[in-house]
Amino acid sequence: SQQGEEDPQALSIQEGENATMNCSYKTSINNLQWYRQNSGRGLVHLILIRSNEREKHSGRLRVTLDTSKKSSSLLITASRAADTASYFCATDSNTGGFKTIFGAGTRLFVKA
Amino acid sequence: KAGVTQTPRYLIKTRGQQVTLSCSPISGHRSVSWYQQTPGQGLQFLFEYFSETQRNKGNFPGRFSGRQFSNSRSEMNVSTLELGDSALYLCASNAAGDGTIYFGEGSWLTVV
Repeated sequence: SQQGEEDPQALSIQEGENATMNCSYKTSINNLQWYRQNSGRGLVHLILIRSNEREKHSGRLRVTLDTSKKSSSLLITASRAADTASYFCATDSNTGGFKTIFGAGTRLFVKA
Repeated sequence: KAGVTQTPRYLIKTRGQQVTLSCSPISGHRSVSWYQQTPGQGLQFLFEYFSETQRNKGNFPGRFSGRQFSNSRSEMNVSTLELGDSALYLCASNAAGDGTIYFGEGSWLTVV
């Protein structure tokens, strides 16, 4: 089963609005990452937050991590049409090597 | 610095055939992971290689195999193709020690 599960599965907003996506996971993690994927392309790394961090910012992105609830959220502020993409959270299972597990993703559609 | 390069980008195969996909990681990256992405199953971890050794493996049948060469380039092979193997196959490389993984654009495989 997937380690990370995103919520909602799909989100449609107007340009300029904020978009919030949530991710829940099941086991202890070293770090949690968020990736973006434009249709049919490879994934692009957005931000990594370590297990001892609670919040991290990168431009219009804000990520929070609550290890007690095993959850994370990604906030995109002042969204743009170019933000339309699928967003995935990913967690690392350190089993003697990297085994980054991805959730099913949230499909974000930003209407101009 | 060149990114992760995957070849071929698109290919069509017939059921029962076999296919080999290639991945060149970012220079200096020794860890290479492979993922299968389908609309129904999302991003599924296939395997991870480091210094020519498979360190982690996902839950895929033995028809799916891989290898890594001394220059860190990796190949994955799928034998006896089935219709359900149609997917986007993504390769990602990692500079061991950092959780961030960098994806290639993927290889679109269609099995007819």
